[in-house]
Amino acid sequence: NAGVMQNPRHLVRRRGQEARLRCSPMKGHSHVYWYRQLPEEGLKFMVYLQKENIIDESGMPKERFSAEFPKEGPSILRIQQVVRGDSAAYFCASSPPAGGRNEQYFGPGTRLTVT
Amino acid sequence: DAKTTQPNSMESNEEEPVHLPCNHSTISGTDYIHWYRQLPSQGPEYVIHGLTSNVNNRMASLAIAEDRKSSTLILHRATLRDAAVYYCILRDRGGSQGNLIFGKGTKLSVKP
Repeated sequence: NAGVMQNPRHLVRRRGQEARLRCSPMKGHSHVYWYRQLPEEGLKFMVYLQKENIIDESGMPKERFSAEFPKEGPSILRIQQVVRGDSAAYFCASSPPAGGRNEQYFGPGTRLTVT
Repeated sequence: DAKTTQPNSMESNEEEPVHLPCNHSTISGTDYIHWYRQLPSQGPEYVIHGLTSNVNNRMASLAIAEDRKSSTLILHRATLRDAAVYYCILRDRGGSQGNLIFGKGTKLSVKP
């Protein structure tokens, strides 16, 4: 059973370009979460999605960031007009339906560098 | 949300047991206690979770105080690969909180 997959693993973008990060959840998982980890800091929640629905986006910056989890295909985190402060590791996690019993399984992350 | 308190760092010798403490004095009756760890340059990894009773799995043991205001993650024989940041996280049983709330965790160093 393949784990959570993220690609690309490393992404370099110039300021003003767009970044697209992809996440394929574990087989059978319909819940996806995105987290961001700035250098030398802890992980911060960004957004929680189910298939075709955004459940909680309270951690998403109000501008330039968007996320989707279509019926078919991976979840996408999109950052428009990137700035240097967007440089970070972005982790995706998946789980069965949310609940205190259920653990989240994390991908290896995408390391975004904005030059 | 109920918060957890952990020491910033701990050291251990290889092949010795490690006890990582976590205080959660404001835990509610419906909160599960989860532990995750993050190895250097990797994504977080689930370790173990429990509600009231002590739990064991292939990675670790979780000892939960009778009043549930604290818990201890036990690594029975630390290896160099166990060097990581360990996070103690509370999760509501009902699932009202979808995301994990990561604190600063405990950075475990393992000496050969």
